[in-house]
Amino acid sequence: AQKVTQAQTEISVVEKEDVTLDCVYETRDTTYYLFWYKQPPSGELVFLIRRNSFDEQNEISGRYSWNFQKSTSSFNFTITASQVVDSAVYFCALRGDSGGYQKVTFGTGTKLQVIP
Amino acid sequence: NAGVTQTPKFQVLKTGQSMTLQCAQDMNHEYMSWYRQDPGMGLRLIHYSVGAGITDQGEVPNGYNVSRSTTEDFPLRLLSAAPSQTSVYFCASSYFLGQGDTEAFFGQGTRLTVV
Repeated sequence: AQKVTQAQTEISVVEKEDVTLDCVYETRDTTYYLFWYKQPPSGELVFLIRRNSFDEQNEISGRYSWNFQKSTSSFNFTITASQVVDSAVYFCALRGDSGGYQKVTFGTGTKLQVIP
Repeated sequence: NAGVTQTPKFQVLKTGQSMTLQCAQDMNHEYMSWYRQDPGMGLRLIHYSVGAGITDQGEVPNGYNVSRSTTEDFPLRLLSAAPSQTSVYFCASSYFLGQGDTEAFFGQGTRLTVV
């Protein structure tokens, strides 16, 4: 079985602050994929990043960065200089390759509120 | 190129009624899935399909049926709606990016209320 834990239910920051969203995962698969999605107040799910288990390189995309550490089974997401438009619910997700299934397990989400 | 299209966007049902949530994708993706999103629960997988004619159960399949007669369409059927099925439903499609990797695309969601 696989599991994704996002311990932070809600976070509030003041605009321009940096914020890190935590994601801890569990899986028995040696090959797996991790994802982050953003769900703005409008409700749609927006794909942000995918990382496979063989690539521990950190990634930066503009104000977004991701820190993948297999040793601690974590895939944390940092927003630098947060903006009001970053206010959303962020989901971390995991897909393992066991059994050839294509099942994605989502965390419960972290609601981020950026206060102007 | 519309991506993943879900209809309807909103629906109110009475307990015991049946209905079908439609999902269509125009990207020729092999994989399609249905999720439900409930407060504090994240998204949970209902059913999924790895290709036309092939479906399987996810984490919370009870009360739902699916079929995949074409690559494009993956409808979700509620045979006898219950208040516990009040939720937001998302359809997703995905494809291989080599070595088993996939990129997932989600529909806009269907907000279903069962009274």
